[in-house]
Amino acid sequence: AQSVTQLGSHVSVSEGALVLLRCNYSSSVPPYLFWYVQYPNQGLQLLLKYTTGATLVKGINGFEAEFKKSETSFHLTKPSAHMSDAAEYFCAVSADGNNRLAFGKGNQVVVIP
Amino acid sequence: EAEVAQSPRYKITEKSQAVAFWCDPISGHATLYWYRQILGQGPELLVQFQDESVVDDSQLPKDRFSAERLKGVDSTLKIQPAELGDSAMYLCASSSRGKNTGELFFGEGSRLTVL
Repeated sequence: AQSVTQLGSHVSVSEGALVLLRCNYSSSVPPYLFWYVQYPNQGLQLLLKYTTGATLVKGINGFEAEFKKSETSFHLTKPSAHMSDAAEYFCAVSADGNNRLAFGKGNQVVVIP
Repeated sequence: EAEVAQSPRYKITEKSQAVAFWCDPISGHATLYWYRQILGQGPELLVQFQDESVVDDSQLPKDRFSAERLKGVDSTLKIQPAELGDSAMYLCASSSRGKNTGELFFGEGSRLTVL
């Protein structure tokens, strides 16, 4: 079975500073990896995904993530945080793209002015 | 922009009562999912439909939960009787047939509080 681990439920970052959210996965088959964002009172929205090919993937709103097989990681970064980035971020994994996603516990990001 | 519609947005009920949630996926999306999101945790898949057929309901507590998608379009998730531990956000999502890209489109969810 596939699973992901996200450490640190709450992450505080200053406006303009680097955003780094860590995700480590466990999968017995080549994984498909995703980051979803959930703004207050809204549903989840896909930020970016890795399926095959280039290991550095770019998503919406200036976010990017790098797939590192040797480290079983898929960390999410954004060079400069904006107030509008305050939201909850979920890492997810599926096996060979069967669309059956296993989500991590999420990171609540707070942006400090 | 097409959206996944869910109702009700909020539901407060007493334990042992019955409760139902409705979901209308994006038009043309063959796959529909129900997830449960307990406060402080990530979404957990309850059931997955492909058209009107259940593909995966291994995590659905079948003694009290049921889900149907009779015509392969909209879907209903029912809980009877509700228990205190069922308090959570119930999320519906849909995806296109044949596109196993992992991109699920989520509704805004139905928040259930059981007293």
